[in-house]
Amino acid sequence: KAGVTQTPRYLIKTRGQQVTLSCSPISGHRSVSWYQQTPGQGLQFLFEYFSETQRNKGNFPGRFSGRQFSNSRSEMNVSTLELGDSALYLCASSKWRAGDTDTQYFGPGTRLTVL
Amino acid sequence: DQQVKQNSPSLSVQEGRISILNCDYTNSMFDYFLWYKKYPAEGPTFLISISSIKDKNEDGRFTVFLNKSAKHLSLHIVPSQPGDSAVYFCAASGTGGKLIFGQGTELSVKP
Repeated sequence: KAGVTQTPRYLIKTRGQQVTLSCSPISGHRSVSWYQQTPGQGLQFLFEYFSETQRNKGNFPGRFSGRQFSNSRSEMNVSTLELGDSALYLCASSKWRAGDTDTQYFGPGTRLTVL
Repeated sequence: DQQVKQNSPSLSVQEGRISILNCDYTNSMFDYFLWYKKYPAEGPTFLISISSIKDKNEDGRFTVFLNKSAKHLSLHIVPSQPGDSAVYFCAASGTGGKLIFGQGTELSVKP
C-alpha cells in the first residue's frame, strides 16, 4: 500500500509570494492533518480536514489555509510569505479521525525556503 | 505552555544495551500517546502507541510504558542497534483531534 505522498518535496519562494502544497493520503484514509516543523518550535499542528471540512485548527495566522477534496487529497496554502515561514511542512493521514486512538502516518514533507 | 516535554535533547547508548527515552505531559485529558522516529529531511515514522487504559505496550524491541499518575511515558529499545540512531518524538492526543509533540530526543547508538 502506498504511503502518504507530498509534492513538491522542495520549494524556494521569495517574501510576499504565495505557495500551495499538496498531499495525497494513504488509500482509504479520510483524515488529513498538516504540521509545521522548525528548529525553534518543533512540530506544530496547523489544521485537520475530514470529509472536506476543517475540523480543527492550530494557532497559526489566517495566511495559512487549506482544503480537502472529495478524494481526500488535501492542499495547504500560505499567502504573503514571510522569512519565518521557512520550514518543513508535513502532512499526515489517518483512517477516521486524527488523534484519539487513530494513528497518523506522515508523508516525507515539503521543505519550503523563503528568501 | 508546552504540554508535552522531552527533557533530554540527546542520548548516547552503546550497541546492544537498552535505550530509554522519556516524555512528560501536563494535560490529563490526553488519552492516546505515540512515539515517532525521524531522520533529517524525512517525515516521522510511526513506531508504537499506547492508549491511556493501558500501562504497557510491546512491539518487538520497542516497549512503551505509561504512568498516568506521574503523567510520564517512556520508550524502551532493547537491544539498541546503530540503525536506531535518529530523533524520537513522543506525541499525545485527546479531544480535538490533533497531536501535540514533544521537542524530540536525538538518540545515538554507538557500535
